[in-house]
Amino acid sequence: GAVVSQHPSRVICKSGTSVKIECRSLDFQATTMFWYRQFPKQSLMLMATSNEGSKATYEQGVEKDKFLINHASLTLSTLTVTSAHPEDSSFYICSAREPGQADEQYFGPGTRLTVT
Amino acid sequence: AQTVTQSQPEMSVQEAETVTLSCTYDTSESNYYLFWYKQPPSRQMILVIRQEAYKQQNATENRFSVNFQKAAKSFSLKISDSQLGDTAMYFCAFRRPGTYKYIFGTGTRLKVLA
Repeated sequence: GAVVSQHPSRVICKSGTSVKIECRSLDFQATTMFWYRQFPKQSLMLMATSNEGSKATYEQGVEKDKFLINHASLTLSTLTVTSAHPEDSSFYICSAREPGQADEQYFGPGTRLTVT
Repeated sequence: AQTVTQSQPEMSVQEAETVTLSCTYDTSESNYYLFWYKQPPSRQMILVIRQEAYKQQNATENRFSVNFQKAAKSFSLKISDSQLGDTAMYFCAFRRPGTYKYIFGTGTRLKVLA
């Protein structure tokens, strides 16, 4: 099946700094990618939908200026957490939709962000 | 708005036994998709099974099957012949046609005991 990778798998950053997380579709072109956040022992919450070549669509309550999303190519979307604070510590998961495979998304392995 | 409820935070089952995980949802749509995803300790989300609401036949994938009750808005997952590798968090999810937004339940942590 289709493979989605994320980098890094774990990152620790200091409060006030920014951190970038990459999501790549390895063997298919993804016109749409999705970013989720998962708190410990909780479900996945959709943060935003990233469309190649256009602005991301953010879910209600998600700060677009804090969570910058760029989908510059058909195989790469990035999530930048700007001016990170300890409350941004979480597990971030991306998924990608393969064109033509209308009802299936492939998930990346996730990135654990810890802000100290 | 659609909601997905998983009322069993944790469950355990003996190896080789059968276990059923519950999921209910709320929607006014007549057509939609339902999914069960598995998240093992590695945290990689894996699609277990998918059901299209307009199909009356319950989906089956090897040891995994669902009991889809559309009128009751229930979508339970049955795992037969449980294996140690089935230990994971299981999420039920809902998706409307024409959108790619998943609504996930809160998950059920399943532990298979040797």
